Amino acid sequence: DAGVIQSPRHEVTEMGQEVTLRCKPISGHDYLFWYRQTMMRGLELLIYFNNNVPIDDSGMPEDRFSAKMPNASFSTLKIQPSEPRDSAVYFCASSPGTNNEQFFGPGTRLTVL
Amino acid sequence: GQSLEQPSEVTAVEGAIVQINCTYQTSGFYGLSWYQQHDGGAPTFLSYNGLDGLEETGRFSSFLSRSDSYGYLLLQELQMKDSASYFCAVGSGNTGKLIFGQGTTLQVKP
Repeated sequence: DAGVIQSPRHEVTEMGQEVTLRCKPISGHDYLFWYRQTMMRGLELLIYFNNNVPIDDSGMPEDRFSAKMPNASFSTLKIQPSEPRDSAVYFCASSPGTNNEQFFGPGTRLTVL
Repeated sequence: GQSLEQPSEVTAVEGAIVQINCTYQTSGFYGLSWYQQHDGGAPTFLSYNGLDGLEETGRFSSFLSRSDSYGYLLLQELQMKDSASYFCAVGSGNTGKLIFGQGTTLQVKP
């Protein structure tokens, strides 16, 4: 298996633009997680899905952020409009169950100017 | 609320042993995990403790005491490639959700 795949790997955009991050989890994994990592706030869970259903979105910072999982092999995290404070590395991770072992993708480094 | 505490930085020399501690406060505790992250890389899973005691995987061991809300990661025979950040994470109920600590940056010196 190729592991968790994320695209793009790097994104530079201007404030106010829409940003869409993409994730393909490992086949057969029922859980998908979106994290944001910054120096100041560390690794924060934004939202997670179980069997394509959003379970907990309490970490989503505000209404500008939205996430979808239309099928078992694809998820998106959208920021609209983007702001400079959204600059971070965004990780997607998947897991086959609740045993605490999550497999992380390579991340998307987002810079909002 | 839920919180985890671990040291922000640790320095050790090649070949030595280092222990990274983690204390936690959480409701619905469901195991303690450790992840490693190299600069510019993604977190990778190292170990999981669901029950009290020591788990060993090669040069790495992890310990959990649920009564003390405490665990640690022990790295033996340190190598330069072990220089990385190490995160403890607690499971939140049987949900699959993890809460991560702020991470400990380990610097291994020759």
